[in-house]
Amino acid sequence: DAKTTQPTSMDCAEGRAANLPCNHSTISGNEYVYWYRQIHSQGPQYIIHGLKNNETNEMASLIITEDRKSSTLILPHATLRDTAVYYCIVRVSNTNAGKSTFGDGTTLTVKP
Amino acid sequence: EAQVTQNPRYLITVTGKKLTVTCSQNMNHEYMSWYRQDPGLGLRQIYYSMNVEVTDKGDVPEGYKVSRKEKRNFPLILESPSPNQTSLYFCASSFGGIFNSPLHFGNGTRLTVT
Repeated sequence: DAKTTQPTSMDCAEGRAANLPCNHSTISGNEYVYWYRQIHSQGPQYIIHGLKNNETNEMASLIITEDRKSSTLILPHATLRDTAVYYCIVRVSNTNAGKSTFGDGTTLTVKP
Repeated sequence: EAQVTQNPRYLITVTGKKLTVTCSQNMNHEYMSWYRQDPGLGLRQIYYSMNVEVTDKGDVPEGYKVSRKEKRNFPLILESPSPNQTSLYFCASSFGGIFNSPLHFGNGTRLTVT
């Protein structure tokens, strides 16, 4: 599995954009980048995913570098309810597509 | 409503007493998986199932069993629980091999083994 590296914690002011980085330098060509978040001890919630193009949905934007070795999740206007742990993961290759590995994620704190 | 349902939400048991945590999904997903979450260790995969009657080990399978007799259910079985299995457990499901399909998670089961 490609391993991901994220900062342990980040702060963001309410109303400002939150930019959460993720490094995945060993990502394979057919692996997708997924982002999830976990609020308190609830089940993780899917945010967005992409392969190599930038993606946007109603929750966030995902920017993937051209070499695909890193990505950034952007919450355009962070609110207090966006305070959570954010996980960046990559999907494994077809030969073992069932496995998935979550790291420790980034704890984002949105402050008033 | 599309969802993954785990039961029970909270469970306190004693060492060695067999228990089962149930997981059910109503989205016709082929793929299901169990994770445990411990402070400082993130989410670690226990077992997963690509489809009915197909299961495989994740990263931390020791002390756990699973079965997938029908598509919607994927119970987690602890034959002889020990205190080091005290943890927060999550079940998840998705279409296909999750290769291009997001995981849907349940609300978790907090297990305490004394």
